[in-house]
Amino acid sequence: TAGITQAPTSQILAAGRSMTLRCTQDMRHNAMYWYRQDLGLGLRLIHYSNTAGTTGKGEVPDGYSVSRANTDDFPLTLASAVPSQTSVYFCASSQLAEVLNEQFFGPGTRLTVL
Amino acid sequence: GQNIDQPTEMTATEGAIVQINCTYQTSGFNGLFWYQQHAGEAPTFLSYNVLDGLEEKGRFSSFLSRSKGYSYLLLKELQMKDSASYLCAAMDSNYQLIWGAGTKLIIKP
Repeated sequence: TAGITQAPTSQILAAGRSMTLRCTQDMRHNAMYWYRQDLGLGLRLIHYSNTAGTTGKGEVPDGYSVSRANTDDFPLTLASAVPSQTSVYFCASSQLAEVLNEQFFGPGTRLTVL
Repeated sequence: GQNIDQPTEMTATEGAIVQINCTYQTSGFNGLFWYQQHAGEAPTFLSYNVLDGLEEKGRFSSFLSRSKGYSYLLLKELQMKDSASYLCAAMDSNYQLIWGAGTKLIIKP
C-alpha cells in the first residue's frame, strides 16, 4: 500500500509564480491536513479537511488555498509565492476527524521560493 | 495561547536510557502524541496518551500527567537507529495537533 504520496519531491519557484502541491492517499481516510515545517519551529497547520467536500483554515492559512473534491486528493495551491513560503510541506491523513486517532504523513515536498 | 516545550537537543550513549520531556499548554486537551522523525523524512507515529500514567511499547514508553501538563518519552536500550528528532504534540479541544519544535536525539557509540 502506498499510503500517502506527494508531488513534487522538491521544487524551486520564482516569487510571484503559482504552484500546486499534490497529495493523494489510498487509505480511504476521511480527514486530511497540510502542514509546513520550518527549522526551529513545530509543524504548523495550514489547512485541513474533515471529509470530502469540506475544508477549514489552520494556524497559518494566508497565501494558501486547498480543495477536497474527493476522498483521496487534497491539493495545496500557492497563488503567488513569496520567499517566506520556503519550507518543507507535509500532507497527512487520519481515519476520522475530530476524534483521537493518529495522523499518517506523506514524504514531504521541499519548496524553495526565490 | 497554546504552547509546547521540549528540549532542542539531547545526547545519549548506545545501550543507555534517555528521557525526553515535554510540557504543554493548550485550549482544551484530548491527548498527547509522540512522533519520530529521521532527518529528511516524514514524521512517524510512536504513541499517544489520554489518561495519566505510563504506556509501554517495546523499548519505548510514554508518560502523561494531565494535572501538570507534562509528558515524557522514555527510550531504553538505545540503538544508533534511534538517532532522530522526537516530536511532542498535544491534541486541543478541536482535535487539532499542536506541535513542539522537536528534540534532536544524538546517539553516540
